[in-house]
Amino acid sequence: DAGITQSPRHKVTETGTPVTLRCHQTENHRYMYWYRQDPGHGLRLIHYSYGVKDTDKGEVSDGYSVSRSKTEDFLLTLESATSSQTSVYFCAISFTGQYTGELFFGEGSRLTVL
Amino acid sequence: AQSVTQLGSHVSVSEGALVLLRCNYSSSVPPYLFWYVQYPNQGLQLLLKYTSAATLVKGINGFEAEFKKSETSFHLTKPSAHMSDAAEYFCAVSDRDDMRFGAGTRLTVKP
Repeated sequence: DAGITQSPRHKVTETGTPVTLRCHQTENHRYMYWYRQDPGHGLRLIHYSYGVKDTDKGEVSDGYSVSRSKTEDFLLTLESATSSQTSVYFCAISFTGQYTGELFFGEGSRLTVL
Repeated sequence: AQSVTQLGSHVSVSEGALVLLRCNYSSSVPPYLFWYVQYPNQGLQLLLKYTSAATLVKGINGFEAEFKKSETSFHLTKPSAHMSDAAEYFCAVSDRDDMRFGAGTRLTVKP
């Protein structure tokens, strides 16, 4: 158990509203990731973090921002949600970085944008 | 850029039959390769990984995968399917700076 908690687990919102998803870890790992999962696309990286206040863009970062003010929390924000952002969002952590080791995933946050 | 192709979005087998899930990759450097499993309403869990040691990798729950460089493949197998193997399976490739996931294969196990 890598001690990852995502909140909220389910959210329904309307187009144009801001949404923030939270990922909390209990073990102070340096590397954290946000992915989205869509049918036919597998998982795609949105943003990642390699330390407090150190973040970078992933493959599908447009429309998303992140913040990491504490080691244990990694926030994903949709400033103005769109229907194309309806998805299941997964937070993950890594012990090693550089994608050479296992990723540990949270249980996901299902977001529906109407 | 590296990529992963999983052949077959859905695979159905009978309980006790061989499971074969196909994964082909492209990478410009020697890759790290992974298989993850996702059960309903859960996150992904690592089944096994290849990191340039033995080409035949054994994972959890009786699964194994063989790295074939000449075929750029990393197919996942299990000799005898169990009902509890029903899940979605994802292959992933890493070149250390980036990781890409396949689209996934949903495995159904019939009694």
